[in-house]
Amino acid sequence: AQSVTQLGSHVSVSEGALVLLRCNYSSSVPPYLFWYVQYPNQGLQLLLKYTSAATLVKGINGFEAEFKKSETSFHLTKPSAHMSDAAEYFCAVSSGGSNYKLTFGKGTLLTVNP
Amino acid sequence: DTAVSQTPKYLVTQMGNDKSIKCEQNLGHDTMYWYKQDSKKFLKIMFSYNNKELIINETVPNRFSPKSPDKAHLNLHINSLELGDSAVYFCASTGGMVEKLFFGSGTQLSVL
Repeated sequence: AQSVTQLGSHVSVSEGALVLLRCNYSSSVPPYLFWYVQYPNQGLQLLLKYTSAATLVKGINGFEAEFKKSETSFHLTKPSAHMSDAAEYFCAVSSGGSNYKLTFGKGTLLTVNP
Repeated sequence: DTAVSQTPKYLVTQMGNDKSIKCEQNLGHDTMYWYKQDSKKFLKIMFSYNNKELIINETVPNRFSPKSPDKAHLNLHINSLELGDSAVYFCASTGGMVEKLFFGSGTQLSVL
């Protein structure tokens, strides 16, 4: 079985500050890991993904995440927050295999204060 | 052109009614999904189809019946709607195991 835990349902930062959204995973096989972003009243969009290549993954909008197997973590960071980053962020892990599915964490709402 | 489109965007109905949500993707993907997002934003997979064949059914009540007439379409029919069915339902598709999911913009279902 696979699962994802996102620590902190709500993170608030000031514009220009570091963004850190935490994600820990559990998987019985080497995982594929994803971060998605959801803006209000929209579907989810992929920010970045880890698929067993480089452990530091760069995504869109200046986000990046580092896969740490020893810590079973895949935290999302951005050096400097913009107002437009305010959204819900979801970490997800895939099962792989023939019955491929994504299991999502419960999401972290990021608010950015001026 | 929208990659994954679902209709309607909003659906308000009474308890006990039957309703359908339609989903179409023009990406040529073989695999499509239905996800349910509750009021706390938790996303849970309901069904997955690969090339019109059901491959994932996540303990969803029998009142929910997906139908895939071809690999570009995955519709969701819900019988005897209940208050607890109120949620946002997302359709998604993917071209492969390590590829990203493309999501529709969601259907907000409100059962009164």
